[in-house]
Amino acid sequence: GAVVSQHPSWVICKSGTSVKIECRSLDFQATTMFWYRQFPKQSLMLMATSNEGSKATYEQGVEKDKFLINHASLTLSTLTVTSAHPEDSSFYICSARSRLSYEQYFGPGTRLTVT
Amino acid sequence: SQQGEEDPQALSIQEGENATMNCSYKTSINNLQWYRQNSGRGLVHLILIRSNEREKHSGRLRVTLDTSKKSSSLLITASRAADTASYFCATQGGSEKLVFGKGTKLTVNP
Repeated sequence: GAVVSQHPSWVICKSGTSVKIECRSLDFQATTMFWYRQFPKQSLMLMATSNEGSKATYEQGVEKDKFLINHASLTLSTLTVTSAHPEDSSFYICSARSRLSYEQYFGPGTRLTVT
Repeated sequence: SQQGEEDPQALSIQEGENATMNCSYKTSINNLQWYRQNSGRGLVHLILIRSNEREKHSGRLRVTLDTSKKSSSLLITASRAADTASYFCATQGGSEKLVFGKGTKLTVNP
């Protein structure tokens, strides 16, 4: 089946630093990747949709200058949290959709803690 | 904005019992999907039901969809301790975006 990986699985960083999270589709080409954010005991909220080779589309209320998304290839999208603050601490999950299907395959998530 | 609302928010049952979770949504959809999430992990896709379907089965899972009431239910029969997880419904409309509900936390006690 389709596998999506995320790296790192968890990261702790200091306030003011930037953190990059990678999302890879391992055995298929992902024309579209999605980035979600999940606070403890809450649901997933879509942050942005990224299409390979074009700019990401951000959901309302998500700061595009703070959450930089790059989808440089058909198997890799990155989310960079710039100038992280403690309130950015969350679980970030990506999903990927292949060109052959509308089904989304989810990564295992990355837990970010900003101290 | 949040689309779905799961009910109940939390459910605790004994092994062997059936678990029923409900999901309501607000706008028209193309399909509704159910996902499972173990604590601190990613999502596992369980089942997809299209808007023109009323019921679907997969193993011990049974999903119903009532588009007139904008609601769906997920039934897990003969539950096991390993079914302990959070369950989310997600709707997909005209775009490929998935809009998730708030989830039901299921605890199956051995």
